[in-house]
Amino acid sequence: TQLLEQSPQFLSIQEGENLTVYCNSSSVFSSLQWYRQEPGEGPVLLVTVVTGGEVKKLKRLTFQFGDARKDSSLHITAAQPGDTGLYLCAGRTGGGNKLTFGTGTQLKVEL
Amino acid sequence: DSGVTQTPKHLITATGQRVTLRCSPRSGDLSVYWYQQSLDQGLQFLIQYYNGEERAKGNILERFSAQQFPDLHSELNLSSLELGDSALYFCASSVVDNNSPLHFGNGTRLTVT
Repeated sequence: TQLLEQSPQFLSIQEGENLTVYCNSSSVFSSLQWYRQEPGEGPVLLVTVVTGGEVKKLKRLTFQFGDARKDSSLHITAAQPGDTGLYLCAGRTGGGNKLTFGTGTQLKVEL
Repeated sequence: DSGVTQTPKHLITATGQRVTLRCSPRSGDLSVYWYQQSLDQGLQFLIQYYNGEERAKGNILERFSAQQFPDLHSELNLSSLELGDSALYFCASSVVDNNSPLHFGNGTRLTVT
């Protein structure tokens, strides 16, 4: 059972455009992470959000955790070809370190 | 480089066979996780070990088993392989068991023919 749904599944945009990726669930998460995965490599952690309503910025990337800790969004400003990759959200429920991953958003940024 | 090493990188084998995937965690990490990534199922949690003991179990088939050795490396054994087992298998490690970031290896691509 997939608990985290991401939208859109695929996104192809031009360099310089802005975009938002959504991660939604009916479950409450104690924390939520965003990863980026490039072909032939494993996912790499971008950010962890813990508090409902929390906003974190990483250069041109802005991450927000929903107030109810059931959803999150990733906004990229002025996308660049280097942002191309598979973006995955992942949530923790309860104790422990087991992560449930979202369905993924494949982003392609073209020149 | 995440510091997590997985071998082999690629594996091609026939249905009914058995394979072993190996993972060396980052130096100092006590916890190891195995994930399966396929096109239709995404990244699915299989199993977690912490300091040699099984800590959490996900959607791992009975044909699959894993263990973590005293030197903290881990092996994932897949037996009676089926075509549907073809996927990328990732290992990740973390320092401790609770709320610490996961560091992923580059995966083993398994193709069952």
